[in-house]
Amino acid sequence: AQSVTQPDIHITVSEGASLELRCNYSYGATPYLFWYVQSPGQGLQLLLKYFSGDTLVQGIKGFEAEFKRSQSSFNLRKPSVHWSDAAEYFCAVGPYGGATNKLIFGTGTLLAVQP
Amino acid sequence: NAGVTQTPKFRVLKTGQSMTLLCAQDMNHEYMYWYRQDPGMGLRLIHYSVGEGTTAKGEVPDGYNVSRLKKQNFLLGLESAAPSQTSVYFCASTGDADTQYFGPGTRLTVL
Repeated sequence: AQSVTQPDIHITVSEGASLELRCNYSYGATPYLFWYVQSPGQGLQLLLKYFSGDTLVQGIKGFEAEFKRSQSSFNLRKPSVHWSDAAEYFCAVGPYGGATNKLIFGTGTLLAVQP
Repeated sequence: NAGVTQTPKFRVLKTGQSMTLLCAQDMNHEYMYWYRQDPGMGLRLIHYSVGEGTTAKGEVPDGYNVSRLKKQNFLLGLESAAPSQTSVYFCASTGDADTQYFGPGTRLTVL
């Protein structure tokens, strides 16, 4: 079955500390991987995406993610967290070039940032 | 360029009432989607459309209907609202095998 797992429901980090949010997927076809961020009361905004090429992808707001095919993972990282990064983060997987472009979302990781 | 807009932003219904949520996009996108977001469950696809005049069921379609009469609009209808449909509803659109752009959401409460 196709699925996305974000094992951490809630994470708290101190401002300036590094961050890694985990994402594991199960997908039969070639996956197209995404990370979205949702600030309170807002819609989802794309942070970054990966289909092919360099397995380390850079996104907006200083985020990066690394695709590891052998581990079926697409973890999101940031070297130094800012208070404004407090939000909910969603990993998603979809079919590249598929006819429907339907995405499967993880359940999200809520990030809190301590001063 | 407004992107994806949703109307209304908030709504409270009584059980059994009906309503329609409107999603509009000005990016000339072919694909449009309706999701619901519930705590601890992420986003789940309700219905989607791959072009004007077409619709298809997603993961949780029961109790909802949709229409895509115009390319830029995607309507989500609740014929007889139930408390289980209390949720935040998001519309999204995409032009091809790429980024989905999301609207700001509609918070619906069914009493």
